[in-house]
Amino acid sequence: AQKVTQAQTEISVVEKEDVTLDCVYETRDTTYYLFWYKQPPSGELVFLIRRNSFDEQNEISGRYSWNFQKSTSSFNFTITASQVVDSAVYFCALSEEGGKLIFGQGTELSVKP
Amino acid sequence: DAMVIQNPRYQVTQFGKPVTLSCSQTLNHNVMYWYQQKSSQAPKLLFHYYDKDFNNEADTPDNFQSRRPNTSFCFLDIRSPGLGDAAMYLCATSRVGWAGGYTFGSGTRLTVV
Repeated sequence: AQKVTQAQTEISVVEKEDVTLDCVYETRDTTYYLFWYKQPPSGELVFLIRRNSFDEQNEISGRYSWNFQKSTSSFNFTITASQVVDSAVYFCALSEEGGKLIFGQGTELSVKP
Repeated sequence: DAMVIQNPRYQVTQFGKPVTLSCSQTLNHNVMYWYQQKSSQAPKLLFHYYDKDFNNEADTPDNFQSRRPNTSFCFLDIRSPGLGDAAMYLCATSRVGWAGGYTFGSGTRLTVV
């Protein structure tokens, strides 16, 4: 069965600090996809990244970076030099090929000025 | 731009009064999903359509029904809303075989009074 665990319920940082959001997943499939979404207070889910299980190359997009390690079943998300606008709930999610999207419980990030 | 549109953005309904939420898409995706997200929780899949085939999650209450009259539209019907059904309802679409991509609407926030 699929499962996504985000052990950090809430994180609070001061602006310009770096912050890492952890995500650990479980799946029996060899082909699967991992996602990160941002959910601001307005409620919509903003897509950040999708990785497939065959691509372990880490990715950087501006202040965002992702570390995918199959050996530890982890897909962690780092925000460098955090800003107040980064305050939101962040969800890690998993889908097997052709399957449903399963979410972790989310991490609420608060960035204080 | 192709997108997933949910109407209305906010819906207030009376306890026990049937309510319908709508979702439309211009992506021509063959799979449509309905998620329920209660406050401070992860989105939870209620059901999905693969074309016209309806797939209910095992723990989705009978109070929740869905209709998909054509590829573009999908409706969520709550027959007798209770206070516990107050939540954000998110519609999403995907295309089977397309590298695990999902497109979410902005959601409908349902209040039950």
